[in-house]
Amino acid sequence: AQKVTQAQTEISVVEKEDVTLDCVYETRDTTYYLFWYKQPPSGELVFLIRRNSFDEQNEISGRYSWNFQKSTSSFNFTITASQVVDSAVYFCALSEANFGNEKLTFGTGTRLTIIP
Amino acid sequence: GAVVSQHPSRVICKSGTSVKIECRSLDFQATTMFWYRQFPKQSLMLMATSNEGSKATYEQGVEKDKFLINHASLTLSTLTVTSAHPEDSSFYICSARGAGGKYGYGYTFGSGTRLTVV
Repeated sequence: AQKVTQAQTEISVVEKEDVTLDCVYETRDTTYYLFWYKQPPSGELVFLIRRNSFDEQNEISGRYSWNFQKSTSSFNFTITASQVVDSAVYFCALSEANFGNEKLTFGTGTRLTIIP
Repeated sequence: GAVVSQHPSRVICKSGTSVKIECRSLDFQATTMFWYRQFPKQSLMLMATSNEGSKATYEQGVEKDKFLINHASLTLSTLTVTSAHPEDSSFYICSARGAGGKYGYGYTFGSGTRLTVV
């Protein structure tokens, strides 16, 4: 069975600080996908990144960066120079790679508050 | 990019009535759609997976007779909450998986429906 653990329930940082959101996953599959989504107060889910299990390269997109380490089954997300607009709930998710039924398993989310 | 439209965004209904929520993929064909439920300050829990033209697959513990899912076309899936009760009040969100092409096979989420049963 798949499982995603986001141990940090809530994090608060002062604006412009860097913050890392942790994600640890469990799966028996050798091929899988990892995701991060942002959920602002309005409720919609905003896609941030999708990474397949064979690509362990770290990725940077503006102030966002992701560190994927298969050895520790972690896919951590770092926001540098945080801004108030980054305040949201962030979900890490995992899907199998079985074509046609790749349902997402979500972590419990981390509520990030950026203090101005 | 790919867009999924979900309606209504908010609905208040009386206990015992039924509510239908629509999920449409606007510019791509969705072979598979997923329905999630999210209680306040909790994670998204998958309720069911539907493939166009076939019966939905429900997750354990989800009553299929209460949460009716219809995926009649490659662009539309509906979730009907039948005989709604206050405990069904929740945030329901759909997700559509692309059928390939220029939008690939990624997941796109609707904006969600906040259901309140009074």
